[in-house]
Amino acid sequence: GAVVSQHPSWVICKSGTSVKIECRSLDFQATTMFWYRQFPKQSLMLMATSNEGSKATYEQGVEKDKFLINHASLTLSTLTVTSAHPEDSSFYICSARTSGTYEQYFGPGTRLTVT
Amino acid sequence: KNEVEQSPQNLTAQEGEFITINCSYSVGISALHWLQQHPGGGIVSLFMLSSGKKKHGRLIATINIQEKHSSLHITASHPRDSAVYICAVRYVSNYQLIWGAGTKLIIKP
Repeated sequence: GAVVSQHPSWVICKSGTSVKIECRSLDFQATTMFWYRQFPKQSLMLMATSNEGSKATYEQGVEKDKFLINHASLTLSTLTVTSAHPEDSSFYICSARTSGTYEQYFGPGTRLTVT
Repeated sequence: KNEVEQSPQNLTAQEGEFITINCSYSVGISALHWLQQHPGGGIVSLFMLSSGKKKHGRLIATINIQEKHSSLHITASHPRDSAVYICAVRYVSNYQLIWGAGTKLIIKP
């Protein structure tokens, strides 16, 4: 149980385009989802926290207009990188938790390369 | 100073050796996670601890809340254990995770 999937697992896009990454909880209701970013050889960095049906809370320094997060249902959150630039190339990981527990379940990650 | 510190940063060992990775933190926490990240990037949650000790297969995790220290042990290590092991702690007051920098483990056959 407690499986989180991400799609796509990797994506290459051209500079200036937008790309959407999906995070799904497959067998539980994710009341809260988290989006992390990881640069090579660095630790994960929390980008934002989203609660189902509410606007996401972004961490300091993360541009909310560039990284659009939607958590429209209890099983799906999306991260859209708008007007992508090469510096947005990174590994994006989502995690999810359900109400009543603090444990987070992690998705496998999405590797984004912007050319 | 990082709030969560792991040691060692890098560890290379021979197959079969007993492995210990340490995590120290400086804040009051409600739980500590040990996670494994393989070269492809995917993360697997190994343990969530709030006290004592947990065991799963060849993996053992311990935590000492008073000393603000946790260890992850791997018995009879195998090359497939090669990965980055990450310690993350959760503050008492909320669910945010504070991440350690990770320990890169290489097990040679």
